[in-house]
Amino acid sequence: DVKVTQSSRYLVKRTGEKVFLECVQDMDHENMFWYRQDPGLGLRLIYFSYDVKMKEKGDIPEGYSVSREKKERFSLILESASTNQTSMYLCASSFGGAGANVLTFGAGSRLTVL
Amino acid sequence: QKEVEQDPGPLSVPEGAIVSLNCTYSNSAFQYFMWYRQYSRKGPELLMYTYSSGNKEDGRFTAQVDKSSKYISLFIRDSQPSDSATYLCAMSSFSGSARQLTFGSGTQLTVLP
Repeated sequence: DVKVTQSSRYLVKRTGEKVFLECVQDMDHENMFWYRQDPGLGLRLIYFSYDVKMKEKGDIPEGYSVSREKKERFSLILESASTNQTSMYLCASSFGGAGANVLTFGAGSRLTVL
Repeated sequence: QKEVEQDPGPLSVPEGAIVSLNCTYSNSAFQYFMWYRQYSRKGPELLMYTYSSGNKEDGRFTAQVDKSSKYISLFIRDSQPSDSATYLCAMSSFSGSARQLTFGSGTQLTVLP
C-alpha cells in the first residue's frame, strides 16, 4: 500500500560527491515536494513542483537542484555534497486545485555526508 | 520569530492520560490546519485536518482551532503506548500557487505503559 516511495532509505556519501535522491508517487498527484528535517528546526522546504518540468524554490534551495521529467517522479540532486547537508530528506506529494495542501510523505532518506 | 511555534517537549505521560499538544501562529491568513504524526524513522502521516475555526473529533483524537487567538490544539484521550511519536502541526493559507504548508518543529510524545 506504499504511495510515495523514496528509493534510498540510508545513504553515506563523501564531501564533494554528487547525490541523487529519487521519489516516486502512484497517486497521480500534481504537486511534489522535497523537505529536509533536522532536530529543532522541523521541516524545511527545499523545492517543490506543481507540474511536469516545473519547479519552484522553497525556503532553503541553496546547494540543491531538482528534476521532474515525469508526473510521478521528482528527484533531488546535491551537486557537490557537503557535511551540512547531512539530514533526513522527505519527499511528499499532494493533489492540485483548491483546498488544503494535504501532503502524503515518503518514509524518508537519511543522508550522511562524511 | 517563527511563523509557527510548537513546544518541542519531550512530553512523557502514563497510559490512559489525556494529552494536549499545542501550536501558536502569527499569520492570520492561515485557514487550513493539520496535525501529522511521525513515528521514529518514518515519514509523517496525516492525523487530522480542519478548516477555519472549530473542533473536529476522530475517535480518541480531537483537533481544536481558535483563529481569534491564533492557537490550535490536539487532544488525545485514553492515550496508548502506540501513540508515542512526534506530532507536527502544519497550516496553510489559500493564495494562488503559494499553498505551501508551514510546519511546527514537532512535539515528541512518549506514553508509558
